[in-house]
Amino acid sequence: DMKVTQMPRYLIKRMGENVLLECGQDMSHETMYWYRQDPGLGLQLIYISYDVDSNSEGDIPKGYRVSRKKREHFSLILDSAKTNQTSVYFCASSLGGRVTGQLYFGEGSKLTVL
Amino acid sequence: KTQVEQSPQSLVVRQGENCVLQCNYSVTPDNHLRWFKQDTGKGLVSLTVLVHENDKTSNGRYSATLDKDAKHSTLHITATLLDDTATYICVVGDRGSALGRLHFGAGTQLIVIP
Repeated sequence: DMKVTQMPRYLIKRMGENVLLECGQDMSHETMYWYRQDPGLGLQLIYISYDVDSNSEGDIPKGYRVSRKKREHFSLILDSAKTNQTSVYFCASSLGGRVTGQLYFGEGSKLTVL
Repeated sequence: KTQVEQSPQSLVVRQGENCVLQCNYSVTPDNHLRWFKQDTGKGLVSLTVLVHENDKTSNGRYSATLDKDAKHSTLHITATLLDDTATYICVVGDRGSALGRLHFGAGTQLIVIP
């Protein structure tokens, strides 16, 4: 079954705490993405990963870092979360080189930073 | 500056009616355009991909057009169902490879009423 799974789905943290959002896919896709979605705005790219340990900053990488040690797993880390990082975070994956191929999204992780 | 503009922002139709959603963009180059459906609290699900100059696609009750000269796309939904209630998101890719960026619109919220 072709699926992108995100954990946790909901998370509440206090300002300054660390946050780990995890994403897994079962399709052996090389390329994986982390986006955030805020009301009234289009999804914004945080990081893109082309394969294991091959990660690039997206449009809004500040305050975030990522880790990809296995092809099927891509983590988003917030060191010392800020209130303006309250958002819904989406992970996605696609089969390497051709973005006109299928693009699969997880169901999102809703993060609230108090 | 927003490079992908969708209209209307929201739309209410009665079940069985047809509707048309619009997407105008300024992304250059414009390699391809996708339409996604996002149910409330869920991830994005791809409906169709348009690639060529005056591309047209059909996927059941969904059909889409792309005019690259005008940088404009439409998504037509025929004989709407209650389950069509969702946000529809237009996404423009500026490359055909994973090295390219996806530019997301903010979406059109469609509500189908009985």
